[in-house]
Amino acid sequence: DTGVSQDPRHKITKRGQNVTFRCDPISEHNRLYWYRQTLGQGPEFLTYFQNEAQLEKSRLLSDRFSAERPKGSFSTLEIQRTEQGDSAMYLCASSLDAGLTEAFFGQGTRLTVV
Amino acid sequence: AQKITQTQPGMFVQEKEAVTLDCTYDTSDQSYGLFWYKQPSSGEMIFLIYQGSYDEQNATEGRYSLNFQKARKSANLVISASQLGDSAMYFCAMREGGDDKIIFGKGTRLHILP
Repeated sequence: DTGVSQDPRHKITKRGQNVTFRCDPISEHNRLYWYRQTLGQGPEFLTYFQNEAQLEKSRLLSDRFSAERPKGSFSTLEIQRTEQGDSAMYLCASSLDAGLTEAFFGQGTRLTVV
Repeated sequence: AQKITQTQPGMFVQEKEAVTLDCTYDTSDQSYGLFWYKQPSSGEMIFLIYQGSYDEQNATEGRYSLNFQKARKSANLVISASQLGDSAMYFCAMREGGDDKIIFGKGTRLHILP
């Protein structure tokens, strides 16, 4: 399978716990994006990487959230001290870094904070 | 201000009929790209079609076509001969030339009736 891969697909955690999600982009894609999607809404941009450099972070990304892409390949998104409001689908996408190209999405990680 | 506006929260269409999903956008950039994604109940975001701002022809991909009206800042998706499997959420999105992230609208839920 050569698409974008996300792990885990589902995560249930207790409030206050830390969680980490992983995204493996399409291999030749330099750009990697994280989005959050709540029920009935479109995906909201969180952050993106050009290779290993994190180039932009949304105001939605509070200091409890951190994302890394250490070797310019896979990325992780960590949420510390989870809150019920963090419950959402977390989507990862990747694209080529040239031009206004489309992004390809993974199947997402659905987080439920109880 | 909303950059992508989808005014139809939900639509019901009889199978085999054509359907048009509306999308208007707001940008001051001359160079931008417009996208449509499909999100079935499984949650995966599936890329459907792309239109560049400098493309003179409307984009087509199989049963999907994009009705691009630049002066009106409109990028409607047309699905011909709808099928039951077309039932899903549909998102219009944009990437501006001066920005690397893709911005999504709130989506339209399409129901195809047998």
